[in-house]
Amino acid sequence: DAGITQSPRYKITETGRQVTLMCHQTWSHSYMFWYRQDLGHGLRLIYYSAAADITDKGEVPDGYVVSRSKTENFPLTLESATRSQTSVYFCASSVDRSGNTIYFGEGSWLTVV
Amino acid sequence: AQTVTQSQPEMSVQEAETVTLSCTYDTSESNYYLFWYKQPPSRQMILVIRQEAYKQQNATENRFSVNFQKAAKSFSLKISDSQLGDTAMYFCAFMKQIRNSGGSNYKLTFGKGTLLTVNP
Repeated sequence: DAGITQSPRYKITETGRQVTLMCHQTWSHSYMFWYRQDLGHGLRLIYYSAAADITDKGEVPDGYVVSRSKTENFPLTLESATRSQTSVYFCASSVDRSGNTIYFGEGSWLTVV
Repeated sequence: AQTVTQSQPEMSVQEAETVTLSCTYDTSESNYYLFWYKQPPSRQMILVIRQEAYKQQNATENRFSVNFQKAAKSFSLKISDSQLGDTAMYFCAFMKQIRNSGGSNYKLTFGKGTLLTVNP
């Protein structure tokens, strides 16, 4: 049972470069989410998706792009990375429409220099 | 907009004692879900306990229980018989259903967390 996996787990990139964080889940969950975690801010929702080809903005979407061409994948792209996007990024998926169980990936540590 | 407030940035407790972590939230919704997540040093998010707002009975999972006060919009977590492995960051979270042009969706909002240290 692979669950939900994120890649890369650790990434250092330069300002201005495009970076894509991958998220893959093996349960066929409809709902998927991307969060960033920063000291003093907790977890903040970047984007979420109800199903393939359906995405919506969260609290802090600026500078990020998502896609959901397949139910199992929900990649997050930083189009032109900035230092303020240095963070730990968590992908999550929801087991059903009730939303009462959320599973998180292990996180992706991104440093923008 | 929904907000989740954890007023205790840090707490400590002696092993085997009981500790309560506070959480309040603000919403105009009547149907929603509340969660407590644990994040140990490994940074992985682990679901501790969840509560459906329509249920009056407080949720319990082994040593973890909640005190859900819907009218007061309060959702505290009680950890009994604290263990060293309970040392972690604890996040309170609120989930509600969002209706938009794409249909129904769910949005999960977190508090800023409480760092709990269990001392031997």
